[in-house]
Amino acid sequence: SQQGEEDPQALSIQEGENATMNCSYKTSINNLQWYRQNSGRGLVHLILIRSNEREKHSGRLRVTLDTSKKSSSLLITASRAADTASYFCATGNTGGFKTIFGAGTRLFVKA
Amino acid sequence: NAGVTQTPKFQVLKTGQSMTLQCAQDMNHNSMYWYRQDPGMGLRLIYYSASEGTTDKGEVPNGYNVSRLNKREFSLRLESAAPSQTSVYFCASRIAGIDEQYFGPGTRLTVT
Repeated sequence: SQQGEEDPQALSIQEGENATMNCSYKTSINNLQWYRQNSGRGLVHLILIRSNEREKHSGRLRVTLDTSKKSSSLLITASRAADTASYFCATGNTGGFKTIFGAGTRLFVKA
Repeated sequence: NAGVTQTPKFQVLKTGQSMTLQCAQDMNHNSMYWYRQDPGMGLRLIYYSASEGTTDKGEVPNGYNVSRLNKREFSLRLESAAPSQTSVYFCASRIAGIDEQYFGPGTRLTVT
């Protein structure tokens, strides 16, 4: 069963706009990660936020985590056509080796 | 430094045939993983190897076997392929204590 569920499933925006993707999960976590997958490629790690953090930034990426609501959001500011990809949230548990991935959000940025 | 490599990139099998997907990493990572990705399903864990010499089942292990040949290599075997195993297979690795995973480019498998 999937741990993380992304919302929306697909998102289409204009270049320069902000893109927000949400992720909900079911069980307690140690950390939550976001990955990007370009078409036909493997996943690339973007950012990790730990359960004791509420917000984290990396370049144009901003991630928030609300453990009370078991949810996270990924904001991409000033999007570019090159940001077109699928984005996945993934959750990790304390002391565990498994990472559980959601079904992903497909982002299309129109130039 | 090639990262995580997978062979082959594409494969077509007939039902009942067997094959082994190969994965190697040159980053001295301890843990390695095999996932399958199906449309709308995200990635599902098939098997993983926390460290050299150990392997464990993931979410969808039926129909697959794995071998952690050494620290670098982790192979996935389909003994008798079925159409339900048509998927894209990804290998990943990570270093002990760090949750970030590094992915290979994937193997696109079709079983007819």
